[in-house]
Amino acid sequence: QVQLVQSGAEVKKPGASVKVSCKASGYTFTNYGITWVRQAPGQGLEWMGWISAYNGNTDYAQKLQGRVTMTTDTSTSTAYMELRSLRSDDTAVYYCARDGGTSGVDYWGQGTLVTVSS
Amino acid sequence: DIVMTQTPLSSPVTLGQPASISCRSSQSLVHSDGNTYLSWLQQRPGQPPRLLIYKISNRFSGVPDRFSGSGAGTDFTLKISRVEAEDVGVYYCTQATQFPWTFGQGTKVEIK
Repeated sequence: QVQLVQSGAEVKKPGASVKVSCKASGYTFTNYGITWVRQAPGQGLEWMGWISAYNGNTDYAQKLQGRVTMTTDTSTSTAYMELRSLRSDDTAVYYCARDGGTSGVDYWGQGTLVTVSS
Repeated sequence: DIVMTQTPLSSPVTLGQPASISCRSSQSLVHSDGNTYLSWLQQRPGQPPRLLIYKISNRFSGVPDRFSGSGAGTDFTLKISRVEAEDVGVYYCTQATQFPWTFGQGTKVEIK
């Protein structure tokens, strides 16, 4: 069965960076894209960007351009999201999800809480 | 960016009664390939989102048939035919027709 398992919670200081991993299993990793979505406490869903696991092509949300980098490691079927220059308003649960193509964002990771606090 | 607007933002429902959520996009969601990439997600309290419906009206694997989606172009609807206790949560519409993908604000479904 398809599973996306994310790395554990992180606490970071303002200005630091965080790198969240998302290990995929149960499907051919390179056949699908991965999208990253975050959710601030008590808020809705915010799309951060997308990466093709086939060729590494990316598309990022405008507001995060220059601070976010999404990568994949096809040898381990793992996707990564790195966010730099962290601010307090980056505190959120970060989700990876599989882009199922015509079936939409079909499988989600369990989420990774990133807390940014001095 | 395509703006997704959901109504209502809160929906108190009696168990066994129907519920309906509307989602309107600021522009057509018809992709150049002819598909409309409009999905509905359910997020139960403390859980990650879960895909319910994709391409307007297709139920994802394991989704009960009391959930249905309809619509076209810029106007879409999610219906729950008979609300059960496990349906409590927040529902989001989302479009993947065009980058950046966007979400509606979410509609909270709760039991009266």
